[in-house]
Amino acid sequence: KQEVTQIPAALSVPEGENLVLNCSFTDSAIYNLQWFRQDPGKGLTSLLLIQSSQREQTSGRLNASLDKSSGRSTLYIAASQPGDSATYLCAVKGWGAQKLVFGQGTRLTINP
Amino acid sequence: NAGVTQTPKFQVLKTGQSMTLQCAQDMNHEYMSWYRQDPGMGLRLIHYSVGAGITDQGEVPNGYNVSRSTTEDFPLRLLSAAPSQTSVYFCASSQGASEAFFGQGTRLTVV
Repeated sequence: KQEVTQIPAALSVPEGENLVLNCSFTDSAIYNLQWFRQDPGKGLTSLLLIQSSQREQTSGRLNASLDKSSGRSTLYIAASQPGDSATYLCAVKGWGAQKLVFGQGTRLTINP
Repeated sequence: NAGVTQTPKFQVLKTGQSMTLQCAQDMNHEYMSWYRQDPGMGLRLIHYSVGAGITDQGEVPNGYNVSRSTTEDFPLRLLSAAPSQTSVYFCASSQGASEAFFGQGTRLTVV
């Protein structure tokens, strides 16, 4: 059974810092991995999707990497801003199944 | 682009009542699913569908029923609401290797 873990559970940093959020998964046979953002009381917004054959994806100040062999993904946020404050979730999709398995999320606070 | 639309956004039910949470997508995705999100438990899969007429159970299916008569719609039925079903419910859709899209959620309280 796939298990996804996100560390840390919460992170508070001053504005302008570069930061890394971590996601680990127990079964390396994944189809793809997706990072989401969730604002309080809102739905999930897709940030980045990494296919199993890819090593990284970039969108603006966000960069996500994938290392299947070690069962890890990282989300790098450059030059953080208060508007980046949210909960970040990673989810993996296995081969032969469209189901997503989610981590518990990292609650990020960027202090002005 | 509407994407995934869920209704209602908020609902209060009394114990024992039944209701249907609606979910519709306009992206012609074959795969649709329902999750519930609870503090400390994360997002857990309730039911999913790989196409019209095909549904299956997820991790926490008890107390819920689904059907998929069209590609666009995937309603979730609560048969007899219980306080343990107080949660935020999310519907999602995807196709193949594409990213999954989520609705804005339904916040349900059972009293």
